[in-house]
Amino acid sequence: EAQVTQNPRYLITVTGKKLTVTCSQNMNHEYMSWYRQDPGLGLRQIYYSMNVEVTDKGDVPEGYKVSRKEKRNFPLILESPSPNQTSLYFCASSLSGTAGLEQYFGPGTRLTVT
Amino acid sequence: EDQVTQSPEALRLQEGESSSLNCSYTVSGLRGLFWYRQDPGKGPEFLFTLYSAGEEKEKERLKATLTKKESFLHITAPKPEDSATYLCAVRPPKYKLSFGAGTTVTVRA
Repeated sequence: EAQVTQNPRYLITVTGKKLTVTCSQNMNHEYMSWYRQDPGLGLRQIYYSMNVEVTDKGDVPEGYKVSRKEKRNFPLILESPSPNQTSLYFCASSLSGTAGLEQYFGPGTRLTVT
Repeated sequence: EDQVTQSPEALRLQEGESSSLNCSYTVSGLRGLFWYRQDPGKGPEFLFTLYSAGEEKEKERLKATLTKKESFLHITAPKPEDSATYLCAVRPPKYKLSFGAGTTVTVRA
């Protein structure tokens, strides 16, 4: 089954404790992206990757890191989480970034930082 | 800066009562406008891509249209299963998307 998976689905952590949210896709997609969704603000893009070893900032990259060492994986790293990073996070992928950006989304990771 | 504004924020419909959702956008050099559907607790699901003014796409009871400043998502004779949040997104020349806040549609039987 073609899908985007994220882990963990739910995470409660404390301020300053480094964490990683994993994202994996099995569709051989080149383009992958991370979003956060907050009430009233909609989906905001954090980082995106056009292909392996190629990443770029979205609209809200501060406080986040990403890496793309393999085509299928695109982890999101919060090196020192803060309460304002409490949010619902989505990973997404699409076949190509140069063509259309019809994206397949993962199920989401709900992060709470206390 | 790219801007996407969706209206209304919420829409309550009776089953069979057709209506339209609006997505107004400001972007230099639109490379695509996208509609997604999001059910509670799930990730968005792709519906349509529109590339140029005058283009229309249809899927079951949904029809999306595009002008130079806005897009409409028309819901014809909706059913309760059409209840969801509908998201609009635009792509500028860069390889990124900007989303609107969404319209939450509730269809009562």
